[in-house]
Order: sequence, then C-alpha cells, then structure tokens
Amino acid sequence: QKEVEQNSGPLSVPEGAIASLNCTYSDRGSQSFFWYRQYSGKSPELIMFIYSNGDKEDGRFTAQLNKASQYVSLLIRDSQPSDSATYLCAVISFQGAQKLVFGQGTRLTINP
Amino acid sequence: DTAVSQTPKYLVTQMGNDKSIKCEQNLGHDTMYWYKQDSKKFLKIMFSYNNKELIINETVPNRFSPKSPDKAHLNLHINSLELGDSAVYFCASSQDAWAAGGKDTEAFFGQGTRLTVV
Repeated sequence: QKEVEQNSGPLSVPEGAIASLNCTYSDRGSQSFFWYRQYSGKSPELIMFIYSNGDKEDGRFTAQLNKASQYVSLLIRDSQPSDSATYLCAVISFQGAQKLVFGQGTRLTINP
Repeated sequence: DTAVSQTPKYLVTQMGNDKSIKCEQNLGHDTMYWYKQDSKKFLKIMFSYNNKELIINETVPNRFSPKSPDKAHLNLHINSLELGDSAVYFCASSQDAWAAGGKDTEAFFGQGTRLTVV
C-alpha cells in the first residue's frame, strides 16, 4: 500500500466550477498535511497546510481533513484556467524515519 | 532573490560518467533535502540534512553521495551514472526538520535539475 495515494487524473473541470481533489494516507500517526501545486516544468509550491480535523479556507481554496478516515481533500472554488496544474498531496509520515511523503499528484485541467 | 537555487538546470551526460548538482538556500533554514521526480511525476525523498547532519537516507544507491559543507548548501554527487538515473532532481529546504511538525516544516523547492543520461 502506498503511503499517500491520489487519483492521478487527469481531472477536467469547467471554468467557474468547483474542483475537488482527494488524497488518502496510510500512517494513522500523521499529523501534518500539505497541498502543493506544480505547474508543468516548474517546482512544487505550497498552497495549503492543515493539521486539525475539519475545514481550512484560504481564498478560493479549502482543505479538508478527516483523520478517522485518513482522508485529505482540496476544493478549489470558481476554478480558473490558471489553476490548471498538478496538485500534490504531502503528509509527514512516521513510518520509518519521519519524512514528507508525496502522493503521485492529480493533474487538473480547467476548461475555459 | 532566489530562495533555493540549484545548478545546473539541465544536465545531459553519458552512462558511466560522474556528475554533481549544487544547491544553495538563502532562507536561513536548518534543514535541506534532495528529492527525485520520475517521468510519472512521482516525487520521492532521497536525503535530508539538518544542520549539516544526515538525518534521512532513503535506500538510495551508494552511487549517490550528498555533501553539506554548511547548512546553506547541499550538493549531490552521482557516480557511474545509469540510464535509470534520468529524472528531475529537486533540492528543498525548510526551517525545521519534519520531526517538529508544524508550519515551519513547509518545504521550499529549487527550480529542479533535469538530468538526462544517454
């Protein structure tokens, strides 16, 4: 079982709609969760982090965490073409040495 | 001012050669990392250093040798390059090591080095 799993997509969403990205993780001891965005040919950049169960909102982005279900999600409201990118879920895992483990990423395309 | 910079950006070399990638961060962070991103975009940790001390070595072949002369620099030397080493290598840094948890474990990435072994 992979430590962090995401649907690799591609996920296509019309402009202005809500994009929903999902992630599950295997380490029940994980406490810190991150969403990174990576444009093609560029480096990952952090867009959201969440540590507590529930929702965390930042502008058009909402991260949701459910530790009981070991599930993290990212919602993007009013999707824009500039949101087209690969979204990487990352979790600080305590399996073995503590480390930041990434999922395989979900490629998101916003269609004008 | 670039926060995490790595050189070179592109590296094309023949099998069997030895090459190095350099990384420097000017954020004053204590922890630095090397990640490898394969053709499927999967980003995997290779090494982590905290204040020049190796804290993570993730079952990477010993042809890969990181070196941290000071906490602002982390270089990666690769011996006897193989076709399978072709990937994008990212350097990153964070204020705290992951054991600390919290926002200060946010990783800032360099622009990546695309290594192609022919």
